[in-house]
Amino acid sequence: QQPVQSPQAVILREGEDAVINCSSSKALYSVHWYRQKHGEAPVFLMILLKGGEQKGHEKISASFNEKKQQSSLYLTASQLSYSGTYFCGTETNTGNQFYFGTGTSLTVIP
Amino acid sequence: NAGVTQTPKFQVLKTGQSMTLQCAQDMNHEYMSWYRQDPGMGLRLIHYSVGAGITDQGEVPNGYNVSRSTTEDFPLRLLSAAPSQTSVYFCASQRGSSSYEQYFGPGTRLTVT
Repeated sequence: QQPVQSPQAVILREGEDAVINCSSSKALYSVHWYRQKHGEAPVFLMILLKGGEQKGHEKISASFNEKKQQSSLYLTASQLSYSGTYFCGTETNTGNQFYFGTGTSLTVIP
Repeated sequence: NAGVTQTPKFQVLKTGQSMTLQCAQDMNHEYMSWYRQDPGMGLRLIHYSVGAGITDQGEVPNGYNVSRSTTEDFPLRLLSAAPSQTSVYFCASQRGSSSYEQYFGPGTRLTVT
């Protein structure tokens, strides 16, 4: 039930854009996005709910395709501070359990 | 607000020993969860609780027990530590269902030798 993330890793130069994808085999109720820096705890970025409601970060956007059980995180005009590992987390329609993807390592270089 | 606190930050156990990882939150959140994080595996749910007195198993519950006697505290007990339980453990809390973000504690790095 673990969602699949792609790509596994990406390197960007400052100012470039990136897209991180998250895909599940189950019908989803919600998708969360978190960023984790090395040695630290994950930090919330965005929630997307079935039906279209979104809550989250001002400078980061995301989409949720309910029919395809997919979500994408869009990082535009990347900054050095965007470096870290990005995780999507999903809750299915059928229960309270939450599953995180295996993560996407993003490195922004000057 | 301290948010979510975890103790200890680091722990080394010998195989077969038992211990309790502590987790507390001061945000009056209903939901609390325990995750383990292993390299290349992301975060995997061990146990979770939707309120005081209510707990349920997650994806990888074997070898761990939890209880939730108060809203604030959600301890994780390792019954008989094994090397396979070497990991970083994160506790998280959230206000309600998955419509709300999770707040993570700083983590406990556990090594079982």
